[in-house]
This record gives sequence, structure tokens and C-alpha cells, in this order.
Amino acid sequence: ETGVTQTPRHLVMGMTNKKSLKCEQHLGHNAMYWYKQSAKKPLELMFVYSLEERVENNSVPSRFSPECPNSSHLFLHLHTLQPEDSALYLCASSQEQDRRYNEQFFGPGTRLTVL
Amino acid sequence: TQLLEQSPQFLSIQEGENLTVYCNSSSVFSSLQWYRQEPGEGPVLLVTVVTGGEVKKLKRLTFQFGDARKDSSLHITAAQPGDTGLYLCAGARRELTGGGNKLTFGTGTQLKVEL
Repeated sequence: ETGVTQTPRHLVMGMTNKKSLKCEQHLGHNAMYWYKQSAKKPLELMFVYSLEERVENNSVPSRFSPECPNSSHLFLHLHTLQPEDSALYLCASSQEQDRRYNEQFFGPGTRLTVL
Repeated sequence: TQLLEQSPQFLSIQEGENLTVYCNSSSVFSSLQWYRQEPGEGPVLLVTVVTGGEVKKLKRLTFQFGDARKDSSLHITAAQPGDTGLYLCAGARRELTGGGNKLTFGTGTQLKVEL
């Protein structure tokens, strides 16, 4: 595997379900991100992990819970979601070294549908 | 709130035509990136511009960073169907505290190039 991978690619869940999204980066980066992409809205940054420590939580509801066990893996645990949470969830990684460049590399995303 | 406005929002052109996409903000960025996203996939980084007035070329794509580092443009010469996709600009600001490289994404330009 190369780059950034995400599983599953598609997920349909009910509002009472618990599910998790997984992201893995094979680039040797030390920062990882979760974004939400909804129709007709700019990408919304949800969480940032730098050196496995959460450094950003952009007022995301507690029904979304991130986990970063090491610099290569990132999870997003989902619990009692709402239909408006249906979106494409993107994971990205970058090398926290030269903040001036801020180049991020994205995975293919998980298309989430909440019924 | 830093906003990046892209124009046009939608663009449908014929193969062989030229086009320009604009990315504007009232904020100054330390660098600016352009991404292309195809349906069902994550954004793919095309280029990063860092210096005010900088021009970078990637085959038929020409990227320019404004002198004041508040805006950018993407010009495509002789567009091809393979150029079809969602074009996103993203501005980075140097963070004084915390970690991770945080980007502000533009509103996106959906380009369709037809035969």
C-alpha cells in the first residue's frame, strides 16, 4: 500500500449504530487530519493530530470521537449520528516540519450515509 | 474566520478552450496550494506556491500567487476531458502555537471539459 488509505470506502448506518472509520498513512508523516466534505460547502477541518497528540478540535460534536494510536493510524469513532452527518469523510497526513509549506496528502475518503 | 472564495463556482467548456480559476481572500497566507478532486476520490495536490508573485507551471496548468499573498489563479491552456474535476485552493497560515499544518480550503470550482 502507498499513500493514504481509508476503510471502509462506503458506509451506511442507522442513527443508533456505532461504527469506526480507519485511516492509514504510508508516507512517514507525523501529523494526521480528519475533514468533512458536504455538498456545496468547503472542506471542514474536524480534528488534527500532531506527533500523536490532538492539537485541534474544531467544535465537533461529541458523537464523533477520534483516536490516534500511532503516527501511521487514525480512527474516527461514530456513535448516534444524525442524517445531517452524511458526507464524505477525508483523512489527510503531512510532515510537521516546515509549517510554511503545509502540504497535505489525502486518502480517498469514506462516503457515509446516516439513515 | 479566514475565507477563500473561488470563482467561477461551475465551468463547462469544450475541449481545446482556455480557462482561468480565481481564488481570493482578504487574509494573507504563508503558502497556497491547489488540489484537484475527482468524484469518489480525495483531493490530489497539484502545486504549492510560497512567494508573492510566484508563477509555477505544470504542463498545461499555470499557477500564480498574488503579490500580496492573498489571492491566486489557475490557468489551463487547451483543456482536455481529463482535466475535469473539482479544483480546490487552500491557504496556509503559520501557526504560532500548537501543531499540525492547518489549511483553509476554498469553496471549489467544478470544471467539466467536454469533447
